[in-house]
Amino acid sequence: DAGITQSPRHKVTETGTPVTLRCHQTENHRYMYWYRQDPGHGLRLIHYSYGVKDTDKGEVSDGYSVSRSKTEDFLLTLESATSSQTSVYFCAISESRVGQYFGPGTRLTVL
Amino acid sequence: RKEVEQDPGPFNVPEGATVAFNCTYSNSASQSFFWYRQDCRKEPKLLMSVYSSGNEDGRFTAQLNRASQYISLLIRDSKLSDSATYLCVVKGNTDKLIFGTGTRLQVFP
Repeated sequence: DAGITQSPRHKVTETGTPVTLRCHQTENHRYMYWYRQDPGHGLRLIHYSYGVKDTDKGEVSDGYSVSRSKTEDFLLTLESATSSQTSVYFCAISESRVGQYFGPGTRLTVL
Repeated sequence: RKEVEQDPGPFNVPEGATVAFNCTYSNSASQSFFWYRQDCRKEPKLLMSVYSSGNEDGRFTAQLNRASQYISLLIRDSKLSDSATYLCVVKGNTDKLIFGTGTRLQVFP
């Protein structure tokens, strides 16, 4: 299995609070991604990074920001969490065109 | 129309059966194709890439039809451990993947 960890694995928070999710890799892969997975929607890309300090938006980026100050870490921040951001969040990494490898996921509940 | 469409299932099959899933995609410029497997409450895992000439990995066979824009996955001699959701995934000329919503397979004894 690819060396990807996510923290926290579960989080319950209240509407309006900031939340930061962390993705850490030990594979030295260039690309890192954040997805959310909701019933009926499949996996949807939030943001991605193609190198340190290089990030771009995905299809559902509103309400989210990211930062990548080191190759191994990619942070996803919900500036002010809303109930619609209750979801399972997956981080993924890739180096080439052979596909992406996913972390174990973070279950976030916003009350 | 969704960019990648799959029959959600569930497909309920007995052990030993052969089962096939299809997936259609809308972007004719798509360049890479994959099948992922996702167990309940787990992360997706890459099952296999799909090549133009078709490819096989043990009991799994994947095929691509670019003219009709569909991808298929065939599982032979189904095992109980094959029970999972199978995600069809398409990539264009960037590194972004587009995921289908998945087809659920349940193999029963």
